[in-house]
Amino acid sequence: NVLTQPPSLSVAPGRTARITCGVKGIATEGVHWYQQKPGQAPVVVIYYDGGRPSGIPERFSGSNSGNTATLTISGVEAGDEADYYCQVWDSSNLHVLFGGGTKLTVL
Amino acid sequence: EKQLVESGGRLVPPGGSLRLSCAASGFTFSSYKVNWVRQAPGKGLEWVSYIGTSSSTIYYADSVKGRFTITRDDGKNSVYLQMNSLRAEDTAVYYCVRLLGTISSWFDPWGQGTLVTVSS
Repeated sequence: NVLTQPPSLSVAPGRTARITCGVKGIATEGVHWYQQKPGQAPVVVIYYDGGRPSGIPERFSGSNSGNTATLTISGVEAGDEADYYCQVWDSSNLHVLFGGGTKLTVL
Repeated sequence: EKQLVESGGRLVPPGGSLRLSCAASGFTFSSYKVNWVRQAPGKGLEWVSYIGTSSSTIYYADSVKGRFTITRDDGKNSVYLQMNSLRAEDTAVYYCVRLLGTISSWFDPWGQGTLVTVSS
């Protein structure tokens, strides 16, 4: 089982970026999203589908339809340029799964 | 400040062994589950191993099962990853990460990572 993410996404400043994560067939309790900038460790931006940690801008939101989780970044800024990863706990196989990552480019 | 600091990464030949350490501070280490996650150069994140509180439960990724061993020492606020029979594909930055709650919760914080290079 794997989590499927688009490898890349390009968005103009001020527009909305939507990054998807396919979770079909995986027994999960929720999807978490991480942002990783070059040379830095990842940081959680969304937990359990739609929760937002303190310090993360309200521009970041998440949703989950059951088969596909989506990270939405509204009013994209240059500082949002980074790699984004989705992550779940696969309770059937007792493994943590990461998506392949999406490189967000701000035009 | 809640912090995890990894150490022990270095260049090691194929077939060799290495022990990574992760020192925690700023929180009650014994109350939290811990994982190791790695990232090969230019690649995505890959989960390696999980250890529960009191070492009650341990899981491994299929790619490292039988070669890697995770342990913890709550008295030293530390978790370790013993890596044997290392392969070129084990080359990566290894991150120590804390689970916030149950086994399905998210990772926070992440350490800065330690680089393991397997090469002759």
